[in-house]
Amino acid sequence: NAGVMQNPRHLVRRRGQEARLRCSPMKGHSHVYWYRQLPEEGLKFMVYLQKENIIDESGMPKERFSAEFPKEGPSILRIQQVVRGDSAAYFCASSRGTGGENIQYFGAGTRLSVL
Amino acid sequence: AQTVTQSQPEMSVQEAETVTLSCTYDTSESNYYLFWYKQPPSRQMILVIRQEAYKQQNATENRFSVNFQKAAKSFSLKISDSQLGDTAMYFCAFISNAGKSTFGDGTTLTVKP
Repeated sequence: NAGVMQNPRHLVRRRGQEARLRCSPMKGHSHVYWYRQLPEEGLKFMVYLQKENIIDESGMPKERFSAEFPKEGPSILRIQQVVRGDSAAYFCASSRGTGGENIQYFGAGTRLSVL
Repeated sequence: AQTVTQSQPEMSVQEAETVTLSCTYDTSESNYYLFWYKQPPSRQMILVIRQEAYKQQNATENRFSVNFQKAAKSFSLKISDSQLGDTAMYFCAFISNAGKSTFGDGTTLTVKP
């Protein structure tokens, strides 16, 4: 049973370009979470999605950031017009559900570098 | 809104000794879940232990155990017989019954030989 798969592992973008980060949850998991980790800092919650629905986006910046989790395919975190401050590691986690099924398993992360 | 506080940015322990990492949280919810995750130098987030708030018994996983004090909103992690492989950043996390997640800022633990 493959774990949470994130790709790419490393992504380099120039200022103003778009970054697309992909996350395939574990088999049987329908809940996806995105987190951002700035260098030498902790994990900050960004958004929580269930298939085709955004459940909680309270941690998402209001501009340039969006996330989706379509019925088919991976979850996508999209950052438009990237700036140097977007450089960070972005982690995705998935869970089977909430309540008693809420254990989040993490992917290896995507390290975004903005030049 | 929930908050999670880890008051020890860095800690160190000698190999084979015991260390306790602190975590406090604040919430108005009565049913929730608490977790400890570790992030070794590889940056992979690994689940260490999970506690359900409605259970009074403290969770234990081999050398890892927690001291869960619900009234005090405290959730400390004890690592016994520390090993070099325990060197990592440790995150305390609160997850509500509805799935809302809040992580602490982490404690960097170094196990010294």
